[in-house]
Amino acid sequence: KQEVTQIPAALSVPEGENLVLNCSFTDSAIYNLQWFRQDPGKGLTSLLLIQSSQREQTSGRLNASLDKSSGRSTLYIAASQPGDSATYLCAPYSGGGADGLTFGKGTHLIIQP
Amino acid sequence: DTEVTQTPKHLVMGMTNKKSLKCEQHMGHRAMYWYKQKAKKPPELMFVYSYEKLSINESVPSRFSPECPNSSLLNLHLHALQPEDSALYLCASSQVIGLEGQFFGPGTRLTVL
Repeated sequence: KQEVTQIPAALSVPEGENLVLNCSFTDSAIYNLQWFRQDPGKGLTSLLLIQSSQREQTSGRLNASLDKSSGRSTLYIAASQPGDSATYLCAPYSGGGADGLTFGKGTHLIIQP
Repeated sequence: DTEVTQTPKHLVMGMTNKKSLKCEQHMGHRAMYWYKQKAKKPPELMFVYSYEKLSINESVPSRFSPECPNSSLLNLHLHALQPEDSALYLCASSQVIGLEGQFFGPGTRLTVL
């Protein structure tokens, strides 16, 4: 059974800093990994999807890396802004068909103005 | 259309009520999912439908009854719920072979009195 750990659990920094959020997973036989953002009481917004054959995926100020063999992924946020404040969840996908995602507990991020 | 919609946004019900949650997508996805998310916890998988057939039921109590009337719609029928069932209920969809990731709706905030 896939187990996902996210470090740190919470992070509060002043705006402008570059940040690294970490995700580790126990079953490295994955097809891809998704990073999501969740605002309080809201649904999940997909930020990046990185396939198992890829090492990195970028969207704007966000960059996700994947080291499948070691069971690790990082989400890099450049030049953080107060609007980046949210909970960030990672979810590796192991299923060959329709299969649910297993989520980490998330990193709760606060960017101070 | 790359959106998953859910209705209602909020629902308050008594323990003897019967209500339904609705989810719709028009992305041509043939896999649809229900997740339950308690406060400050990650989403947990409840049900998966693949080609309108129930493929995964994660030992969910029978007071939750899913239904997939067609490839675009997913319902969750609720009956005789308990206060501990209060949570955010999230719907998601994906291609059956989930190599393009899952897309989530905004959720329904359910409160059981």
